[in-house]
Amino acid sequence: DQQVKQNSPSLSVQEGRISILNCDYTNSMFDYFLWYKKYPAEGPTFLISISSIKDKNEDGRFTVFLNKSAKHLSLHIVPSQPGDSAVYFCAAAAMNRDDKIIFGKGTRLHILP
Amino acid sequence: GAGVSQSPSNKVTEKGKDVELRCDPISGHTALYWYRQSLGQGLEFLIYFQGNSAPDKSGLPSDRFSAERTGGSVSTLTIQRTQQEDSAVYLCASLFTGTYEQYFGPGTRLTVT
Repeated sequence: DQQVKQNSPSLSVQEGRISILNCDYTNSMFDYFLWYKKYPAEGPTFLISISSIKDKNEDGRFTVFLNKSAKHLSLHIVPSQPGDSAVYFCAAAAMNRDDKIIFGKGTRLHILP
Repeated sequence: GAGVSQSPSNKVTEKGKDVELRCDPISGHTALYWYRQSLGQGLEFLIYFQGNSAPDKSGLPSDRFSAERTGGSVSTLTIQRTQQEDSAVYLCASLFTGTYEQYFGPGTRLTVT
């Protein structure tokens, strides 16, 4: 049973436009969410996170939105740049249970010139 | 400072042989995860060590897989009687207990022939 779902395996976006990556979760105990970026032959690197007490967190070109009622979060990248081409993983944890972090399957983002 | 390191970076082994994969976490990090990423798949949770607590082994796919963490630092993932379906990139991540931003190593690519 997949608790964190990234339903789009890949996404192509024109350079300079907005990239929107989506993630859904099923476990209502999750209260902390993270996005990671992964280049080939490297480990994932942390990008941005959000606690369930917020509905938005922004860091430069990256913004994460959380809709708790829909159990949905999204990562917005604007403007998209060539170096943003990578696989993006959504992850979730239940801080109140100090439980393990669960990852989605990832979305491969291609930034087109 | 030094990040998470993993060794070997690549391992080719014959079906039926045992392999050991090593992870050196960031000094002071009290929690450590093992994941694997099979071709075209996401990050599959394997095992989670947190401080002195009993590890969460719920992700280990079979009893051929085991892991230990000695002295709360270095961890070794052992796969006995390897099978071709064990071929994957095995990733280790560490973090401070109570935080959720994981620091990943570069991974070990295991190929079982």
